[in-house]
Amino acid sequence: SAVISQKPSRDICQRGTSLTIQCQVDSQVTMMFWYRQQPGQSLTLIATANQGSEATYESGFVIDKFPISRPNLTFSTLTVSNMSPEDSSIYLCSVRDRTNQPQHFGDGTRLSIL
Amino acid sequence: KQEVTQIPAALSVPEGENLVLNCSFTDSAIYNLQWFRQDPGKGLTSLLLIQSSQREQTSGRLNASLDKSSGRSTLYIAASQPGDSATYLCAVVYNQGGKLIFGQGTELSVKP
Repeated sequence: SAVISQKPSRDICQRGTSLTIQCQVDSQVTMMFWYRQQPGQSLTLIATANQGSEATYESGFVIDKFPISRPNLTFSTLTVSNMSPEDSSIYLCSVRDRTNQPQHFGDGTRLSIL
Repeated sequence: KQEVTQIPAALSVPEGENLVLNCSFTDSAIYNLQWFRQDPGKGLTSLLLIQSSQREQTSGRLNASLDKSSGRSTLYIAASQPGDSATYLCAVVYNQGGKLIFGQGTELSVKP
């Protein structure tokens, strides 16, 4: 299975600032996803990032707040912009090569906003 | 609305016991279903993937079943161990290229 590395693993940020999270995969994958997991909750999909096309955002998430890049088949970034305490969550990168294959997750980025 | 439900939210069992975790989904026209475990402070680890044409998948002490007609899947853990303590998540994909829709998870505690 793909090995997924996320950076940073955790961060504490000030209100109003932005943070870019990196996701590096050890093999080429077709589909990359970004999820948010708020404290004590399950996972919510933010957007799907397929190489060569614009990211597709889920209801309630907008590009201005969560811009995503996908420059190649092994790398993606998620930026959390103009952060507020409500953005304190775990952000997880996930990959899947084809729909009939398992989806795999990174260890996540634990973000706290003061 | 396509929803995934997991009951119970938490389960505590003594070591050695066999146990079953439940997952139900509202729309039976799924593409596949995947079970994950999440340890505290960690990401998700994929356990088993069941395609819509399959009835069950096995890996070691784990067995996952799928009954599309009733909209249910179960994860059976044999001879539970303290190391099995984690949150178990069920997730469904409804179409090719589609997203995973997650249940709320079952927090399992196996007591020595």
